[in-house]
Amino acid sequence: IAGITQAPTSQILAAGRRMTLRCTQDMRHNAMYWYRQDLGLGLRLIHYSNTAGTTGKGEVPDGYSVSRANTDDFPLTLASAVPSQTSVYFCASSVLAGGFNEQFFGPGTRLTVL
Amino acid sequence: GEDVEQSLFLSVREGDSSVINCTYTDSSSTYLYWYKQEPGAGLQLLTYIFSNMDMKQDQRLTVLLNKKDKHLSLRIADTQTGDSAIYFCAETPYSGAGSYQLTFGKGTKLSVIP
Repeated sequence: IAGITQAPTSQILAAGRRMTLRCTQDMRHNAMYWYRQDLGLGLRLIHYSNTAGTTGKGEVPDGYSVSRANTDDFPLTLASAVPSQTSVYFCASSVLAGGFNEQFFGPGTRLTVL
Repeated sequence: GEDVEQSLFLSVREGDSSVINCTYTDSSSTYLYWYKQEPGAGLQLLTYIFSNMDMKQDQRLTVLLNKKDKHLSLRIADTQTGDSAIYFCAETPYSGAGSYQLTFGKGTKLSVIP
C-alpha cells in the first residue's frame, strides 16, 4: 500500500522554467490538496480539489495551477518559476465525510528556484 | 485572513509533561485537529476532538477544548525523545458548498531534552 506519493523528492530549478510536481494517491480519496510549507509561515493551502473534475483556489494560488482529470492524480504546475516559490510542497488527500477531514500527507517535494 | 495561533517553540525534559496551546478563530469548526510532523516527513494526524466535547484522552495524549475562549491544548504525558517533532493545530472553518478546508497554525516545535 503506497498511500500518497510525490515526485520528484527534490528539485533545483532555474527561474522562468516550467515545473510540474506530481502527486498520486491509491486510497480512492475524493479530495486532494496542495500546500507549501515555509519557515515561520507554517502550512498554506495553494489549491484543492473536492472531487475529480473540480478544483478550487486556496490561500496562496498565484503562480500555480492544478488539474484533476481523475481520482488518483493531482499535479501542481508552476508555469514560470520565481525564487519566492522556493519551498517544501506537500500533497494531501482525504475523504470528506460529515465535516471530518483527516488529511493524509505525502512525503513532500523540496523545490529550490534560483 | 483568519489565523490559528500557537507558540513556535517548546522545550521539555524527557519524562515531563508537554502542553502545547492553540487559539483558533472560527466557532463553527466542527472538528479540531492536532497533526504531528517528524523531521523530513509530511504531517500525520495525531488526534482530534469534536466540537461538542471538552476533553479527549488517548493513551499519553489529552486534548482540552474551551469553546468559549476558542482555546485548544494538547498535553503529552511522560514525554519521550521520540515525541520531538512539530505539532500543528488545525481548525475546519466552514467555507460553503460542503467544503471543510483545514486552516493550520504555524506549528510548535517540541524539543525533548534527554
